[in-house]
Amino acid sequence: QVQLVESGGGVVQPGGSLRLSCAASGFTFKNYGIHWVRQAPGQGLEWVAFIRYDESNEYYADSVKGRFSVSRDNSKNTQYLQMNSLRTEDTAVYSCVTDRVKFGFGEVDQWGQGTLVIVSS
Amino acid sequence: AIQMTQSPSSLSASVGDRVTISCRASQAIRNDLAWYQQKPGEAPKLLIYSASNLQSGVPSRFSGSGSGTSFTLTISSLQPEDFATYYCLQDYISPFTFGPGTKVDIK
Repeated sequence: QVQLVESGGGVVQPGGSLRLSCAASGFTFKNYGIHWVRQAPGQGLEWVAFIRYDESNEYYADSVKGRFSVSRDNSKNTQYLQMNSLRTEDTAVYSCVTDRVKFGFGEVDQWGQGTLVIVSS
Repeated sequence: AIQMTQSPSSLSASVGDRVTISCRASQAIRNDLAWYQQKPGEAPKLLIYSASNLQSGVPSRFSGSGSGTSFTLTISSLQPEDFATYYCLQDYISPFTFGPGTKVDIK
């Protein structure tokens, strides 16, 4: 079955950087785009970013554009979220999520359990 | 970015009740809308995609309707396992945006 395991979260000071990883298994990773979605403690869901299956395009929420970047290594079945210039409002659980459709860019579908990022001085 | 609103923000209902949750988009999004269920401590689960298509494995008591700017999630007969928070998501155009959620709890 689909498994997504995020890592790389932790505590970082405002203005700092972190790189999150998402290790995928149980499906043909190279055929699926991957989203990142975050959820601040006690809050709702926020879509963060997406990268197409072939890395041809990336998309970002307005709140992270210019600070976050996504990449992937299909040979390692792994996706990355590089987060720079972190702000306190970036504190959240970050989850990687498969797209529902092969080669598509649409609904988020299968979720990892997430990794917690805390931005605090 | 497209703004999504949901109503109500919370509701109390009994087992067996028919429950309706509304989601509205700030501009037309065709039928590019999905619904998710999230229980405390768990990852969200996709229920409905393309406004009215039931995701595989989801009970048929869940249904979705709407197009353009106005959408509805209906639970025909609420079950104990349905008490959760429900979110809509527009996937019409990037950046995708979620609604703020509707919490369904026990009356």
